[in-house]
Amino acid sequence: SAVISQKPSRDICQRGTSLTIQCQVDSQVTMMFWYRQQPGQSLTLIATANQGSEATYESGFVIDKFPISRPNLTFSTLTVSNMSPEDSSIYLCSAQGAGEKLFFGSGTQLSVL
Amino acid sequence: AQTVTQSQPEMSVQEAETVTLSCTYDTSESDYYLFWYKQPPSRQMILVIRQEAYKQQNATENRFSVNFQKAAKSFSLKISDSQLGDAAMYFCASGGTSGTYKYIFGTGTRLKVLA
Repeated sequence: SAVISQKPSRDICQRGTSLTIQCQVDSQVTMMFWYRQQPGQSLTLIATANQGSEATYESGFVIDKFPISRPNLTFSTLTVSNMSPEDSSIYLCSAQGAGEKLFFGSGTQLSVL
Repeated sequence: AQTVTQSQPEMSVQEAETVTLSCTYDTSESDYYLFWYKQPPSRQMILVIRQEAYKQQNATENRFSVNFQKAAKSFSLKISDSQLGDAAMYFCASGGTSGTYKYIFGTGTRLKVLA
């Protein structure tokens, strides 16, 4: 299994600012994914982050708003840019391990005032 | 397009009893995996069980087992001898292996365990 460290665990931010969420995996993984989870809701895929290439974004999510970096096989960041209260959510980092199992970080709870 | 449907928003079970959570899915993938994840209030997503679609045998992990009906695209989770610690949100998910690698999640079922 893969152990994923995600930080910050929570943050309260002002409207118009940006927050970068970091995700560190304890082993090399090819595929990493970023999800958003609204309170009491399911997980919505934001983008797939592959090392050495640009992230692939899902419908409704754009690079200008959610830029992603994937500098190596163990690390990725997601930035939430120019935040508004609608961005308040839980953001989850995940990585694909052996047997196509998906492992998750502990999530970042973001509140935008 | 992949879809995962969980029709039970909430379920309750008495401690030590058995409960079954339902899930149906649709996918155009020829080879795929199905998963059940548990999310307690800590919000940490925990993998409960995984089923490889090409295997007919139902996966089992201790008190957790699945009933995988490929033709019906059904993938239910059975929890035996329910414990208070099983109380959580349970998400069904599917993931492809043909290159799309998208993992799609259902809307979740909140499981309450009654003492």
